[in-house]
Amino acid sequence: EADIYQTPRYLVIGTGKKITLECSQTMGHDKMYWYQQDPGMELHLIHYSYGVNSTEKGDLSSESTVSRIRTEHFPLTLESARPSHTSQYLCASSESGTANYGYTFGSGTRLTVV
Amino acid sequence: QQQVKQSPQSLIVQKGGISIINCAYENTAFDYFPWYQQFPGKGPALLIAIRPDVSEKKEGRFTISFNKSAKQFSLHIMDSQPGDSATYFCAASEIWNSGGYQKVTFGIGTKLQVIP
Repeated sequence: EADIYQTPRYLVIGTGKKITLECSQTMGHDKMYWYQQDPGMELHLIHYSYGVNSTEKGDLSSESTVSRIRTEHFPLTLESARPSHTSQYLCASSESGTANYGYTFGSGTRLTVV
Repeated sequence: QQQVKQSPQSLIVQKGGISIINCAYENTAFDYFPWYQQFPGKGPALLIAIRPDVSEKKEGRFTISFNKSAKQFSLHIMDSQPGDSATYFCAASEIWNSGGYQKVTFGIGTKLQVIP
């Protein structure tokens, strides 16, 4: 049923490890986004992409990086995880074009850094 | 500084009652106002959305009321059910860079609990 897939769903890792959170969508959307959502619920944009080879930082400063080599794939990487990176990471996409559209979100990756 | 102010942060409603969540904004460049519903362990899902050229949009038990002059919009859930218990986010969206980027600002969220 989901058209946007995030893996893993849950991840517990040690400090200093490199991790990649995967996000793939099957809808052919050009626009993709990464949000960070803390237990207090608010969503903060950390990265976005207009299309292949296009990536920008969002409103919330993040030590993570992203890449967009294929339309359907938008992975997020943390080179050296820290406890402050513990959060839920949500990937989303929206339709191409110049109008505003709703987002389709994945189910998220809950990351815990110990 | 919150560009989209959402209230209340939590809401408890009796089954069959009306749930009302309010949002206000300042940026007149916003031209699309979606509401998202999020269940625990899931990502937000688009519930209903409105554009500023209409004052109301209804889909089943869910209605958005939009007041452009007051820069306010609200979600009404009629005949609220326990299955509606979730967190609801309002949002406002604008287009940047000649259509290259859609910037969405989310409200802080409202945790709704519908009790039997």
